[in-house]
Amino acid sequence: SSEVTQPPSVSVVPGQTASITCSGDKLGEKFASWYQQKPGQSPLLVIYKDDKRPSGIPERFSGSSSGNTATLTISGSQALDEADYYCQTWDRSVLFGGGTKLTVL
Amino acid sequence: QVQLVESGGGAVQPGGSLRLSCAASDFTFSSYAMHWVRQAPGEGLEWVAVISFLGDKKEYADSVKGRFIISRDNSRNTLHLQMDSLRAEDTAIYYCARDGYTYGLSYYFDWWGQGALVTVSS
Repeated sequence: SSEVTQPPSVSVVPGQTASITCSGDKLGEKFASWYQQKPGQSPLLVIYKDDKRPSGIPERFSGSSSGNTATLTISGSQALDEADYYCQTWDRSVLFGGGTKLTVL
Repeated sequence: QVQLVESGGGAVQPGGSLRLSCAASDFTFSSYAMHWVRQAPGEGLEWVAVISFLGDKKEYADSVKGRFIISRDNSRNTLHLQMDSLRAEDTAIYYCARDGYTYGLSYYFDWWGQGALVTVSS
């Protein structure tokens, strides 16, 4: 069955740009969504349909997708962005990536 | 502000049953497909099931097919998940989540409940 793959961890210095990738077969031909989850909290949608940002999500969060890779970019990372991030798509069933722990050093 | 509140979680022995509920408020529940997503302790997210806004279409993950049943009561703004033949690997926090489209199915989740913990253990 299909799957999508994320790096287990990404680190970023405050104020710099963090990029989290999500790889899967022909992922660029499907819509990708991204969720932020902080410890003890429910997931929060931060990007949908590859690059759409829900209301209330800061502009520093952006998304893109091409080929086999979708990317979540956090510009000007802040300490409060430290969280687990999950990509998600659909290919005959809903698929989640394994999650990426973002550390803001 | 959309509100989704799960209830019905708890501890159950392997082979047992449990019924989760999700009370929805502050949006037109009958206009949205609804999902269940679970997360085992310390693990990632796993989609469980979806039901269409009318309740006439249901889909399940292979891991729960034949054991779990999703249902909804649009008159009571409530989503349910009947879980039978529970296994240790079903231990997880179960979230109800709203689909991103009205009158359709987007397979992304724009609002999540706080979750209900289900523990399957002898």
